[in-house]
Amino acid sequence: SQWGEENLQALSIQEGEDVTMNCSYKTYTTVVQWYRQKSGKGPAQLILIRSNEREKRSGRLRATLDTSSQSSSLSITGTLATDTAVYFCATDANTNKVVFGTGTRLQVLP
Amino acid sequence: EAAVTQSPRNKVTVTGGNVTLSCRQTNSHNYMYWYRQDTGHGLRLIHYSYGAGNLQIGDVPDGYKATRTTQEDFFLLLELASPSQTSLYFCASSRDWAYEQYFGPGTRLTVL
Repeated sequence: SQWGEENLQALSIQEGEDVTMNCSYKTYTTVVQWYRQKSGKGPAQLILIRSNEREKRSGRLRATLDTSSQSSSLSITGTLATDTAVYFCATDANTNKVVFGTGTRLQVLP
Repeated sequence: EAAVTQSPRNKVTVTGGNVTLSCRQTNSHNYMYWYRQDTGHGLRLIHYSYGAGNLQIGDVPDGYKATRTTQEDFFLLLELASPSQTSLYFCASSRDWAYEQYFGPGTRLTVL
């Protein structure tokens, strides 16, 4: 079973719009990592947020973590066509390994 | 930037065949991982290692062996390949388990 699950499987938006993807997990996690995978490539980490953090930003990206509801979100502001990718959250369930969700496929139309 | 390479990039074999996938990382990371990626399942952890000679079982280990010969090199072995092992395989490395993972470009394996 997946410890971290993205809440939406696929999104299609227009370039310039903002988007938020959500991830819920089933048990305590030490970290939540958000990865992006573009077509034909391996995943690449976008943001890592630890359990004692509530928010982390990186450029147009913003990740939040709510440990009480066991959920995390990744927001992208002013999306670009190059943001088209699959986005994964990954959690660890307080073990020494990371488990990836099934991913949200984001399509940004130019 | 972390560099993880995989070989081969594509492999076709027959049922019952013997396959070895190779992975090398050049950033002195302690942890290395093997994942498979299938539509609808995301990335699933097969095996991982936290150092040369160490091997840990992941979430979908059946039918796979792995060996970490050096800090740099991690191999995935399919000794009797089956069509269910047709997949895209990724290797990754990280400094520690709760840190960023750096992924290789992937190996597409087809078992006929």
